[in-house]
Amino acid sequence: AQTVTQSQPEMSVQEAETVTLSCTYDTSESDYYLFWYKQPPSRQMILVIRQEAYKQQNATENRFSVNFQKAAKSFSLKISDSQLGDAAMYFCAYRSAGGSPGTYKYIFGTGTRLKVLA
Amino acid sequence: DTGVSQNPRHKITKRGQNVTFRCDPISEHNRLYWYRQTLGQGPEFLTYFQNEAQLEKSRLLSDRFSAERPKGSFSTLEIQRTEQGDSAMYLCASSLAGLAGGYNEQFFGPGTRLTVL
Repeated sequence: AQTVTQSQPEMSVQEAETVTLSCTYDTSESDYYLFWYKQPPSRQMILVIRQEAYKQQNATENRFSVNFQKAAKSFSLKISDSQLGDAAMYFCAYRSAGGSPGTYKYIFGTGTRLKVLA
Repeated sequence: DTGVSQNPRHKITKRGQNVTFRCDPISEHNRLYWYRQTLGQGPEFLTYFQNEAQLEKSRLLSDRFSAERPKGSFSTLEIQRTEQGDSAMYLCASSLAGLAGGYNEQFFGPGTRLTVL
């Protein structure tokens, strides 16, 4: 079974600075997707960025980028120029890329609470 | 608002009572998922529908839990004889089926927070 581990329960960053959130995962599959989701307080989760395992190039979305190390099974999220609105819970998630119905579920880590200091 | 909606947003009930939650997915989405999120944890998968067919159920979904999606549109999640351990946020998500194994983003609703006293 696949597992996702986020070892940082809480992180703080100064506004305009850069912060990196860590995520490791375990799987025997070769093809899968990895995601970072943001969950603001009392609001719904939104997708921040995703990475396809078959792509060597790290995904980037504006101020958000990932460092995907497939061999090490590591998937960290870097937030540049942090803003107050980035404060939220961040979840790392895994999804198999196979075609059978059981592969569509997401497996989430326990989350990292990001605080942005003004 | 064309996102995923869930009702009610909050539910407080006494132990032993039955509760039912509703999820309305994005209109053209044929896949619907239920997750449970307890305090300090990430969401955990409960069950998944493609159209009206329930295709997978987690071991977390005990026999007190039942989910339906009768017409392939909205879904309900019922918990019978609630226990204090059922207190959690229940999240619904939907996605559009594409090519087999292809990626289709899951869009999450705001959740229903259940408190069992």
